[in-house]
Amino acid sequence: NAGVTQTPKFRILKIGQSMTLQCTQDMNHNYMYWYRQDPGMGLKLIYYSVGAGITDKGEVPNGYNVSRSTTEDFPLRLELAAPSQTSVYFCALGPYNEQFFGPGTRLTVL
Amino acid sequence: EDKVVQSPLSLVVHEGDTVTLNCSYEVTNFRSLLWYKQEKKAPTFLFMLTSSGIEKKSGRLSSILDKKELFSILNITATQTGDSAIYLCASCEYNQGGKLIFGQGTELSVKP
Repeated sequence: NAGVTQTPKFRILKIGQSMTLQCTQDMNHNYMYWYRQDPGMGLKLIYYSVGAGITDKGEVPNGYNVSRSTTEDFPLRLELAAPSQTSVYFCALGPYNEQFFGPGTRLTVL
Repeated sequence: EDKVVQSPLSLVVHEGDTVTLNCSYEVTNFRSLLWYKQEKKAPTFLFMLTSSGIEKKSGRLSSILDKKELFSILNITATQTGDSAIYLCASCEYNQGGKLIFGQGTELSVKP
């Protein structure tokens, strides 16, 4: 039982490149979330999902896309990487109200 | 606009001191207030508070919520160097898919 796994752990992208951050869970939770955390800041919600096939925008969705085809997986896609997307990305999952966080992906865009 | 504000932003104390961290919130459809501890990696859950005046306690940590004045405090007694971390509070609303609005965090440093 791994809980929440995120891959990769670290990544450096060039401006304009694209990539997908993976988030996988084995806890069978319906609610899943993507947050970003900039240095010295709290977490900001990018996108979330309340179940397979259902996604919605959070506070800072611009520049990102998500999909939720299965309960287990909630990938986050960056299409045209920009330096402003340099951050640590956390995937989290429910139950409703109390969230458990994955280990994070540290992304640098140069 | 919904927001959560924490104070102080940083704090340096010595082992054995007692600290109080503050969290105020302005949230339209408030459901609960959560506290997390973050030590250079993912946040880990500490407390969830939904009712005013009922203290939640875990070892040397305790927390309470005041829904009338819209704030919460996190107390840590007899601090240890292992308490050094960023403490985050977050609000959760009804009918919003369980998403959290986080404060900026309080960075606590406990010196030996």
